[in-house]
Amino acid sequence: SAVISQKPSRDICQRGTSLTIQCQVDSQVTMMFWYRQQPGQSLTLIATANQGSEATYESGFVIDKFPISRPNLTFSTLTVSNMSPEDSSIYLCSVDLGQGAGGYTFGSGTRLTVV
Amino acid sequence: GEDVEQSLFLSVREGDSSVINCTYTDSSSTYLYWYKQEPGAGLQLLTYIFSNMDMKQDQRLTVLLNKKDKHLSLRIADTQTGDSAIYFCAVNQAGTALIFGKGTTLSVSS
Repeated sequence: SAVISQKPSRDICQRGTSLTIQCQVDSQVTMMFWYRQQPGQSLTLIATANQGSEATYESGFVIDKFPISRPNLTFSTLTVSNMSPEDSSIYLCSVDLGQGAGGYTFGSGTRLTVV
Repeated sequence: GEDVEQSLFLSVREGDSSVINCTYTDSSSTYLYWYKQEPGAGLQLLTYIFSNMDMKQDQRLTVLLNKKDKHLSLRIADTQTGDSAIYFCAVNQAGTALIFGKGTTLSVSS
C-alpha cells in the first residue's frame, strides 16, 4: 500500500509564530484531508484539499488560521498561523487510497506544542 | 451532519472477548472503519466493512453491522494486554472525509 510521509513529526513553537506541516504521498490521490486531534480527544476534520482548487474548510476552521496548499496530486501543506497554546495538538493528514489499496490511511502525525 | 457515538471505556481480563460498540446517524454511510491508537502513536487501520455487508471476520477481529439500527461493533477474541489502546469508529460516504467517534479506551488486565 502507499506510504504517507508527514513532517515534522513534532515541534515546540513560540506563540504568535506559524508552522507549516508537510504531507507527501507516494501515489497520486484526488483528495487529501487534514485533521486535528487535541489532547485526549478524537479526530476533527479541519479541511479537505483538492488539487487545483481552494480547500474546503469545516465549521470552526478558517483559511486565515489554517491555510492549505495542494500544488500537485501527491503533496499538501497545512500551516498553523499565529499560534496560541490552544493550538497544541496532533495534526494528521489522510488520503483515501481506495478499498483495494488500504482505504483511508493516515500520516504519522505532527505533535505540536505551543509555549 | 453525521454523528458517531462510542462508549468511552471498556475493561476486560486477558483471554476474554472484548466488544466495542458504535452508533452512527447517517443511514447513507457507505464505509465503516475501526482504527487503533496506542499511546503516543498514530492511527492504525484495523479493519473496515462496507454497508452492504453484515459481518466481516479477520483473524481475532469480527465486525458486525446492523444497518437498521445503525450500529457497528468490533469484537476482539482472546484479548491480550497488547490490545490495550484507544479504538475509534469512523464512517463516511464514498469520496468524503471520515467522521470519527470519540474513541473507546480498552484496558486489558492480566
